[in-house]
Amino acid sequence: EDQVTQSPEALRLQEGESSSLNCSYTVSGLRGLFWYRQDPGKGPEFLFTLYSAGEEKEKERLKATLTKKESFLHITAPKPEDSATYLCAVRGSGNTGKLIFGQGTTLQVKP
Amino acid sequence: EAGVAQSPRYKIIEKRQSVAFWCNPISGHATLYWYQQILGQGPKLLIQFQNNGVVDDSQLPKDRFSAERLKGVDSTLKIQPAKLEDSAVYLCASSSSNSPLHFGNGTRLTVT
Repeated sequence: EDQVTQSPEALRLQEGESSSLNCSYTVSGLRGLFWYRQDPGKGPEFLFTLYSAGEEKEKERLKATLTKKESFLHITAPKPEDSATYLCAVRGSGNTGKLIFGQGTTLQVKP
Repeated sequence: EAGVAQSPRYKIIEKRQSVAFWCNPISGHATLYWYQQILGQGPKLLIQFQNNGVVDDSQLPKDRFSAERLKGVDSTLKIQPAKLEDSAVYLCASSSSNSPLHFGNGTRLTVT
């Protein structure tokens, strides 16, 4: 059964203090690992898709990396506007194309 | 392009009452999903449509939940009768081929 576990559940950083969020997964035949950002009262907003181990993608202060068992979302010099819940999800070859989500990491960046 | 539209944004009902949610996906997206997100958890798939056919409804509590997608475009999700544990945000998403899912802002349901 496809499964996603994210850690930590919550993370508090000072502005400018870099850190990483972890996403561990088990999936039969990875067809994509997805990172989303979710603000309070909003739906998840797509950030990145990674398809194979060693792949990296960047967007502003965010960089996502992928290994065969986990993905990291690195946040460099975060700002208060980066505060949100970050969700990781996988799409496996054994399913219909749906995404299986982790429980999310809630990031708070204090000025 | 216009995003996924959902209504209503909020709904408060008493247990055992019925409720319906509406979703209009991004134009041209053949696949439509309904997810349930309980506070503090990640979204969980309830049902997936490809055009107007059901692809996956394995996690849908079929004794109380139903969904339809007419003409392969709009979709409605209904709960009857509602239970306290149905309090959650109901998210609609759409996608084309193997693209990422695009989500609406959801309907927050409170069952009292």
